[in-house]
Amino acid sequence: EVQLVESGGGLAQPGGSLRLSCAASGFSFSRYEMNWVRQAPGKGLEWLSYISNSGDNIYYADSVKGRFTISRDNANNSLDLQINSLRAEDTAIYYCARTYMYGYYFDFWGQGTLVTVSS
Amino acid sequence: QLVLTQSPSASASLGASVKLTCTLSSGHSRYAIAWHQQQPEKGPRYLLKLNSDGSHTKGDGIPDRFSGSSSGAERYLTISSLQSEDEADYYCQTWGTDIWVFGGGTKVTVL
Repeated sequence: EVQLVESGGGLAQPGGSLRLSCAASGFSFSRYEMNWVRQAPGKGLEWLSYISNSGDNIYYADSVKGRFTISRDNANNSLDLQINSLRAEDTAIYYCARTYMYGYYFDFWGQGTLVTVSS
Repeated sequence: QLVLTQSPSASASLGASVKLTCTLSSGHSRYAIAWHQQQPEKGPRYLLKLNSDGSHTKGDGIPDRFSGSSSGAERYLTISSLQSEDEADYYCQTWGTDIWVFGGGTKVTVL
């Protein structure tokens, strides 16, 4: 069974940093491209970042470029998102999502981890 | 600019059908999309991928009640025989060069 389990969320100070993780299981992680998506309270989904299966190709949404860093560890089946210079508007549930192997859409999602940025 | 537009809300009675619309921005009418469902307090769930010709591929375990169709720049998700568990937010998604885009979502209420 495919599972994506996010962790690392919590309460953080404005200007601080946070590292989110996504543990993958039930599939051959190293063969799949992965993504991070967030959802602010009461709002819709916002794509944040993509990483290729090897980690060689990385893309970011303009809204987070320069502050967010995506990475992966294929040996440990994990995906990370480093968030720096936290802002109140980063308050959201953060989801990892798998890209379908033969296409560009997301075919599995995690349950999310909540990040709250507040002093 | 690649944009997806969805109506904020839709409603239908238990057992009836509802058709949701996702509209692609000008110049992108041949793009494929995907539909995702998000039930209250849960993560999203992939429903189906929908091509411009109306052909679609559903995710594992997605009931036959969910189907997709296309017309020009519009992509549709039809839910037949509405069940109470279908009350959820529905998002369309598409992709371009180095970018992935979501529509604003449609909240479906089962009356």
